[in-house]
Amino acid sequence: AQKITQTQPGMFVQEKEAVTLDCTYDTSDQSYGLFWYKQPSSGEMIFLIYQGSYDEQNATEGRYSLNFQKARKSANLVISASQLGDSAMYFCAIATGSSASKIIFGSGTRLSIRP
Amino acid sequence: EAQVTQNPRYLITVTGKKLTVTCSQNMNHEYMSWYRQDPGLGLRQIYYSMNVEVTDKGDVPEGYKVSRKEKRNFPLILESPSPNQTSLYFCASGRKTQYFGPGTRLLVL
Repeated sequence: AQKITQTQPGMFVQEKEAVTLDCTYDTSDQSYGLFWYKQPSSGEMIFLIYQGSYDEQNATEGRYSLNFQKARKSANLVISASQLGDSAMYFCAIATGSSASKIIFGSGTRLSIRP
Repeated sequence: EAQVTQNPRYLITVTGKKLTVTCSQNMNHEYMSWYRQDPGLGLRQIYYSMNVEVTDKGDVPEGYKVSRKEKRNFPLILESPSPNQTSLYFCASGRKTQYFGPGTRLLVL
């Protein structure tokens, strides 16, 4: 069965430090996609970054990068130079199944940035 | 502006009273999906649609119906809501970049 595990329920980080949010996944599919989303306290879901299983390079989007280690089945999110506005819930998700159409989310990590 | 809209944003209803939550996107996406979010459980996929007239079950489809008659619209139907369907519901569209709607908070009494 497909599964996403986020082992850090909560994290505190000092402003301007880099932070790594852990995500491991379990799938027997060869083709899949990995996502990270941010959910601020206002409740909206914001797409951050996507990594395809066949992408050789780690995905990057501004201050966000995805550290993709296929053999370890991990897809950690790295936020460089954290800001107060980064305080939010972060969800990792995997798209699997036929045409990578089924999406499974992890339980999330609550990130708090200290000034 | 790329947008996914959901209506209503908030809804209080009673057990058994049929309701529909609408979802519309303006990005010409083929893929759309519905999720529910419950505390401690993250988001769980209810149904998804690969294209018009093509829908399939996600992880938690029981008690829900969907239809996809037009590309832009993907309504979620609760034929006989029950209190365990009290939740925050999100509609989303797109594949590699999923755009989410603002969410619908549903309370079933």
